[in-house]
Amino acid sequence: NAGVTQTPKFRILKIGQSMTLQCTQDMNHNYMYWYRQDPGMGLKLIYYSVGAGITDKGEVPNGYNVSRSTTEDFPLRLELAAPSQTSVYFCASSRPGQGLTEAFFGQGTRLTVV
Amino acid sequence: GQQLNQSPQSMFIQEGEDVSMNCTSSSIFNTWLWYKQDPGEGPVLLIALYKAGELTSNGRLTAQFGITRKDSFLNISASIPSDVGIYFCAGQLSEKLVFGKGTKLTVNP
Repeated sequence: NAGVTQTPKFRILKIGQSMTLQCTQDMNHNYMYWYRQDPGMGLKLIYYSVGAGITDKGEVPNGYNVSRSTTEDFPLRLELAAPSQTSVYFCASSRPGQGLTEAFFGQGTRLTVV
Repeated sequence: GQQLNQSPQSMFIQEGEDVSMNCTSSSIFNTWLWYKQDPGEGPVLLIALYKAGELTSNGRLTAQFGITRKDSFLNISASIPSDVGIYFCAGQLSEKLVFGKGTKLTVNP
């Protein structure tokens, strides 16, 4: 199994450009998450999804959009990139049940907005 | 929103020493998780705790879920150089998973 796969690994965007960060998982997990990690900080939840067709805002959703058309995929969209969105983005998935809520992470997408 | 206070922020220790770090919260969590992150990688799960008072070990790592469900600690015994990295605690309540800011561990050989 590949687990959680994120693409691209690195990207440089100009202010105002848009892009989609891709995330796919092959573990048939219901829950998927997008986090951003800034230097010296923990992971902040951007959006999450408890299943296909269902998405909810996390702690820092402004400037981002998500969709969940399938169980496997959970893309994150930046419409108008801003320097404040320079960060490392992590996608994660989990399959809660009987307390089994361990989240597995992708390797991250390092985004720089200039 | 829910916040986790993780301490210490950083630790510098000698190889062979034991390490202890903890997380506290004003909120109750159903699950506590401890992750390790190596440079350029995503966090990797070390230990998961599901019951208040639970004490779980994974090799040289031991973690406990506090009785009040508002705290957890992680101990690493006999540290080795490959223990270097950032350790995160995470609390789960319902569908949300909240992370602490991390403890950066440096191990001097």
